[in-house]
Amino acid sequence: GAGVSQTPSNKVTEKGKYVELRCDPISGHTALYWYRQSLGQGPEFLIYFQGTGAADDSGLPNDRFFAVRPEGSVSTLKIQRTERGDSAVYLCASQRGPTDTQYFGPGTRLTVL
Amino acid sequence: AQRVTQPEKLLSVFKGAPVELKCNYSYSGSPELFWYVQYSRQRLQLLLRHISRESIKGFTADLNKGETSFHLKKPFAQEEDSAMYYCALRRTSGSRLTFGEGTQLTVNP
Repeated sequence: GAGVSQTPSNKVTEKGKYVELRCDPISGHTALYWYRQSLGQGPEFLIYFQGTGAADDSGLPNDRFFAVRPEGSVSTLKIQRTERGDSAVYLCASQRGPTDTQYFGPGTRLTVL
Repeated sequence: AQRVTQPEKLLSVFKGAPVELKCNYSYSGSPELFWYVQYSRQRLQLLLRHISRESIKGFTADLNKGETSFHLKKPFAQEEDSAMYYCALRRTSGSRLTFGEGTQLTVNP
C-alpha cells in the first residue's frame, strides 16, 4: 500500500517568509509525528498527534512553529518568520497503534536563504 | 531525560567481515529499542526492534539492560549493507522516538 507521503520534497525560501509543509500518513494510522533532521544529526522530535489533538508538542523549538491535523489524517507543519537556522529535513512518521512501528515519509528539505 | 549515543560516526569494513554498530542509551525505566536504516536516496525504515527478537537481513541486536546497550551485529557484512544506521529509544507505547546521531557504515569490496 501507499506509504507516508510529504510535500513538497524541496522548499527554498527567504529569511522571514512563511512556509507550510504537508504530511499524508498511511491510511488508518491514528498517530502522526514530526521530526527535524539537521545535517549530520539524527532526527529530533517536534510534535506528536493522536487523532486530531497534539498529544505532545514539547519538541517545538519556539512559537514560530505550529502544526495542525484538523481531521485526524493529513497534517501541516507551519513555520512563521523563517530563519536560516530552520534549514533542515523535516520528517513525518505515522503509526497505527501505541505499540506499533513508526513509518517515515521521504522528508521535506527546507532551505532558508 | 533519555539519551541515545552512537559513538562511531563512520565505520568501514570489508565484505565478509563481521560488523558491530554500537548503541548505548540512558533512561531509568524500561525502554523499547529500535534500529532504523537509511539507504542512499531512500527513506528511513525500520531494521529491527528488540521486542521482536528477529534477525533481519542477517542483523541481530540484543538489549543488554546491565550495560544499557543495544549493539547491532552481523557476522558477514555485504556491500548492500552500506547505509546510515540510527539507534532509537521509545520510553512508552505511543511516545516519541529519541534517536542517536547515526553511524555511516561502508562495506568495501
